[in-house]
Amino acid sequence: DTAVSQTPKYLVTQMGNDKSIKCEQNLGHDTMYWYKQDSKKFLKIMFSYNNKELIINETVPNRFSPKSPDKAHLNLHINSLELGDSAVYFCASSQRALAHEQFFGPGTRLTVL
Amino acid sequence: GIQVEQSPPDLILQEGANSTLRCNFSDSVNNLQWFHQNPWGQLINLFYIPSGTKQNGRLSATTVATERYSLLYISSSQTTDSGVYFCAVERDYKLSFGAGTTVTVRA
Repeated sequence: DTAVSQTPKYLVTQMGNDKSIKCEQNLGHDTMYWYKQDSKKFLKIMFSYNNKELIINETVPNRFSPKSPDKAHLNLHINSLELGDSAVYFCASSQRALAHEQFFGPGTRLTVL
Repeated sequence: GIQVEQSPPDLILQEGANSTLRCNFSDSVNNLQWFHQNPWGQLINLFYIPSGTKQNGRLSATTVATERYSLLYISSSQTTDSGVYFCAVERDYKLSFGAGTTVTVRA
């Protein structure tokens, strides 16, 4: 009964490949997010979706495309992977978009070789 | 954007010691959260505390929103408290994180 789940947990791939990370939440929340944690452990917002609509796109390269098929899912697709994309990607959700506690998934460690 | 500063950047404690972590932020916020990132990388919610004081076991937190800071207190620290503690503030529909305080508790 994991609240926010992500798959896969680890992803190792070659430069230039396309990959996807999946996220699901069973909390009944309206809002979902993607965050990136770099090698220095700094966490930064990438995207936010509220009721399947994009509300934040934080100057992320257009090689990154989030897709929200329904309120419970927010997937992240990355085209033409680069070495600098190596990081841990966290999915999160909150009940509403404003002033509500955010809950994080376990993270996906992406390594681009 | 909003600036979030955490201090100290690193903290080494002997088991049983108490400590205080600080988070300063540069503008008014809708929400403030404290997280613990354990050695396995999991982000664990500690407190949702836009203002006031909360306690959960050996941990407590205080946010003084008018003065733009929050404090996290760890009492009687245990080795399982080791990890990185993040403060994050919400403004404009997103959380902005501080750089974290890395806590090492030695037995």
